[in-house]
Formats: sequence, structure tokens, C-alpha cells
Amino acid sequence: DAGVIQSPRHEVTEMGQEVTLRCKPISGHNSLFWYRQTMMRGLELLIYFNNNVPIDDSGMPEDRFSAKMPNASFSTLKIQPSEPRDSAVYFCASSLRGGLTYNEQFFGPGTRLTVL
Amino acid sequence: DQQVKQNSPSLSVQEGRISILNCDYTNSMFDYFLWYKKYPAEGPTFLISISSIKDKNEDGRFTVFLNKSAKHLSLHIVPSQPGDSAVYFCAAGATGTYKYIFGTGTRLKVLA
Repeated sequence: DAGVIQSPRHEVTEMGQEVTLRCKPISGHNSLFWYRQTMMRGLELLIYFNNNVPIDDSGMPEDRFSAKMPNASFSTLKIQPSEPRDSAVYFCASSLRGGLTYNEQFFGPGTRLTVL
Repeated sequence: DQQVKQNSPSLSVQEGRISILNCDYTNSMFDYFLWYKKYPAEGPTFLISISSIKDKNEDGRFTVFLNKSAKHLSLHIVPSQPGDSAVYFCAAGATGTYKYIFGTGTRLKVLA
């Protein structure tokens, strides 16, 4: 079974441009998480979806960030406009249930974003 | 405010010796803890977990110890192997929530 798929793997863009990161969770998983990894803050949870519905977006840095999950097999994280401080590795993870029980989260390979 | 702290950004250990990675947390509501391992250019992968009802969980060469009174957990790798060289993330969660809070990671280098 394929793991979590993310695209692109690398993205280099200029400040002010729109960036869209994509994620395909593991088939059958009903929870999806977007994380951002930086040296200073480690892995930060940006947003969590359960059954395609955003449950908690309190980690989204600001209005420039938005995420959608139109169906169970696809999610996007969009940054518009992008800024140099958004440069980081963005991970998508999925899990089964992900509700009140503790379930392993399976991570994708990440997208390394560089904003010049 | 970092609720989960890994104060050692890096650690070097000789092959065959013990590696000890530490993690501290501040939120007393946390009752489930996990360790993830991350290789370069890959996503983190689950390694081992422990519930607060236990103080030790062992899986092969990997053992996690939990000291609730000190709000401290540690991951022991014995014996360490070069393939263990990776970044290790500590994570914590609380019953009734859905998310894990991750630390900043410790980069382990096992020297051959």
C-alpha cells in the first residue's frame, strides 16, 4: 500500500507568489494533519481534518494560509502571498480514527518550500 | 511556549554503546508519549510509545522510560547502530484531544 503522497517535493518561489502544496493520504484513513517543521519550533501542527472536515486550524499562522480537503483522498495547503519566513518543510500525515484514541500518524516525505 | 522540549539538539555516540535521548514536558494533562525517527528527505516514522500508566516500554533495542513526577521521558537505544543515525522527535498527547505536540528533535549520530 502506498504511503502518504505529497507534491511537489521541492518548491522554490518568489515572495508574493501563491504556493499550493498537495497531499494524498493513505486510503482508508479518515484523519489528516498538516505540519510545518522548522529548526526553532520543531514540528508544528497547522491544521487537522477529520472525515474531510477541518476540526482545528488554530495552528495556521495567519490568513495567508488556507487548507482544504475536498474529498477523502486529497488535501491542499495554500499560502498566498508567500513570504520568506514561510520557508520550511511542510509535512502531511494521516491516521485512522485520530479521535480520542491514540493512533499512529503516518507522515509523507514532506515538501521543502523556499521563498526567496 | 514549548510544551515539549528536547534540550539537546544533537548527540554523538559510538557504535555498540547506549544512546540516551531526553525529552521534558510541562503539561501535566499529557498521558501518552511517542518517539518518531526521521531520516533526511523522509517523513518521520513512528518508533515507540508509552502510556502514562506505565513507566517503561521496550521494543527490541529501543526502550522508553517515563518519569511522571519529573515530567521527563527518555529513549534508550542499546546497542546503537550506524543505521540509527537520524533525528528523533518526542511527542505528547492528552486523552480527549486528537493531536500530538512535538519537540524540536535531537539529531543522533552513531559513529562506526
